[in-house]
Amino acid sequence: QVQLVESGGGVVQPGRSLRLSCTASGFTFSPYGMHWVRQAPGKGLEWVAVIWYDGSDKYYADSVKGRFTISRENSKNMLYLQMNSLRAEDTAVYYCARGIYSNGWYPDFWGQGTLVTVSS
Amino acid sequence: SYVLTQPPSVSVAPGQTARITCGGNNIGSKSVNWFQQKPGQAPVLVVYDDSDRPSGIPERFSGSNSGSTATLTINRVEAGDEADYYCQVWDSSSDHVVFGGGTKLTVL
Repeated sequence: QVQLVESGGGVVQPGRSLRLSCTASGFTFSPYGMHWVRQAPGKGLEWVAVIWYDGSDKYYADSVKGRFTISRENSKNMLYLQMNSLRAEDTAVYYCARGIYSNGWYPDFWGQGTLVTVSS
Repeated sequence: SYVLTQPPSVSVAPGQTARITCGGNNIGSKSVNWFQQKPGQAPVLVVYDDSDRPSGIPERFSGSNSGSTATLTINRVEAGDEADYYCQVWDSSSDHVVFGGGTKLTVL
């Protein structure tokens, strides 16, 4: 069955960096785009970034552009999110999600998420 | 940037029909997807491409989209349907995924 498992979350000080990982299994990883979506405590869903199936294209939310970098290693079925210059407002559960492109992107299957807390 | 507007809450009695709306500028020209999120769990796709259901989603869930409003309809609501529901589109003008603010469905 499709599985996405996020890791790498934790407590980090403002201004520092953190890298999240997402391990995919149960499906052929390479043909799919992949997303990161986050959810601040008690808040709604906020899309973070998407990467094309081959890594050739990437798009970011305005709130993270220039600070976060999405990447993937298809040979390892891995998705990453490098987060630099972290801010308190980046505190959230970060979900990786498999992406489908049909009249636009949408995430069709989500991992259980990893919590990132930015605090001094 | 493109904005999706959902009512914060909808309440319905068991067995009745719940309708959750998602408003956006000419949203009828876009493909709308809906997600269900129960407390402490990851979101689950319940409707995609306006009105299609993924395998495993009950037929009680349906969607429609026209003009400036998309609607998720849940027939014969059950206690287990109590959750937050989010609409989502792809905004091609900004190359962004956009989510609505979410609607909390309460089953009375």
